[in-house]
Amino acid sequence: GAVVSQHPSRVICKSGTSVKIECRSLDFQATTMFWYRQFPKKSLMLMATSNEGSKATYEQGVEKDKFLINHASLTLSTLTVTSAHPEDSSFYICSALEGAVFNQPQHFGDGTRLSIL
Amino acid sequence: GENVEQHPSTLSVQEGDSAVIKCTYSDSASNYFPWYKQELGKRPQLIIDIRSNVGEKKDQRIAVTLNKTAKHFSLHITETQPEDSAVYFCAPRGYIFGTGTRLKVLA
Repeated sequence: GAVVSQHPSRVICKSGTSVKIECRSLDFQATTMFWYRQFPKKSLMLMATSNEGSKATYEQGVEKDKFLINHASLTLSTLTVTSAHPEDSSFYICSALEGAVFNQPQHFGDGTRLSIL
Repeated sequence: GENVEQHPSTLSVQEGDSAVIKCTYSDSASNYFPWYKQELGKRPQLIIDIRSNVGEKKDQRIAVTLNKTAKHFSLHITETQPEDSAVYFCAPRGYIFGTGTRLKVLA
């Protein structure tokens, strides 16, 4: 089956550090990937839709300059949390679609737990 | 934007009983309706999905029913087991998640 690898699984770093999270589709090409943020006991909140070769589409209220998304190839999307602060601590999870059609199952990474001290 | 709500938000059932979770959505363009199960600290897992040209789909103990006119679809779990305890999310259109339902199956 389709596999998505997300790395790292856990990050603990000091306030002011920038953190990069990678999301790779291992055995399929992913034109579209999604980035979510999840707070404890809450739902997955869509942050942005990442499209290969073009700018990401950010959801309302998500700071583009804070959460930089790059989707430079059909198998890799990255999320960089710039100058992270304690309020950025959360569970971040990516997903990928096979092909460009939205109405189909997503393939999720294992998520990244980010803790900013 | 899409407004997706689930009811109930928490549900406790005795082992062997049935559980039903309802998802209401606002975007009439939705034509793909999956349900995901998420265990603590793990990725969501697709458990069943349905497309708008079908009213009901069943896979062993799990079923999904769709009422596109009323804009809601429901997850049905029969003969619940302790391992069914988790948080369940609907995601009309596939990528906007509902508010979530915490299911606890009591042994």
